[in-house]
Amino acid sequence: NAGVTQTPKFQVLKTGQSMTLQCAQDMNHNSMYWYRQDPGMGLRLIYYSASEGTTDKGEVPNGYNVSRLNKREFSLRLESAAPSQTSVYFCASSEAGRAQYFGPGTRLLVL
Amino acid sequence: KQEVTQIPAALSVPEGENLVLNCSFTDSAIYNLQWFRQDPGKGLTSLLLIQSSQREQTSGRLNASLDKSSGRSTLYIAASQPGDSATYLCAALMFSGGYNKLIFGAGTRLAVHP
Repeated sequence: NAGVTQTPKFQVLKTGQSMTLQCAQDMNHNSMYWYRQDPGMGLRLIYYSASEGTTDKGEVPNGYNVSRLNKREFSLRLESAAPSQTSVYFCASSEAGRAQYFGPGTRLLVL
Repeated sequence: KQEVTQIPAALSVPEGENLVLNCSFTDSAIYNLQWFRQDPGKGLTSLLLIQSSQREQTSGRLNASLDKSSGRSTLYIAASQPGDSATYLCAALMFSGGYNKLIFGAGTRLAVHP
């Protein structure tokens, strides 16, 4: 089992460009999450999906959109990237109330 | 405000020492508490999960305890090795802002030297 996979690993964008971060899990989990990790701010939840077909805002959703494509896949889209979105993005999955498992992360630099 | 605090922020020990990492949380109404390990430039690896009804969990040289009444959890690492060097994060699952939210501490950066 690959667990949680994310693509791409690294990305450099110019301000105003758009991109989609991809996430997939093979553990048959219902819940999936997108976090960002910033120095001094820790990990913060952007969006989550409690089950296939549902998505909800987390702590810092502004500037992002998500799609729960199916049970396995949960994508994060930046429509118009800003330097403040420079961060490391992590996808995670879990069953309700159980351990969350994280992907390897996507390092994003917005110039 | 619901917060998770980890002490110390950094720790350097010689190989072979037993050590304790501390985690405290402000809201005792947690669902579970999870300990993670993060290596530089890598993702988070789940180490142990303690449900709110449990007192401790063990995996190999790691033992995590939970005391909900005092708002504390500890991660005990026995016979530390250089390969244990990493940042250790604790996170508490709480109901906040209308949803179940995993709230992370800032982490303890551990260095084990030979």
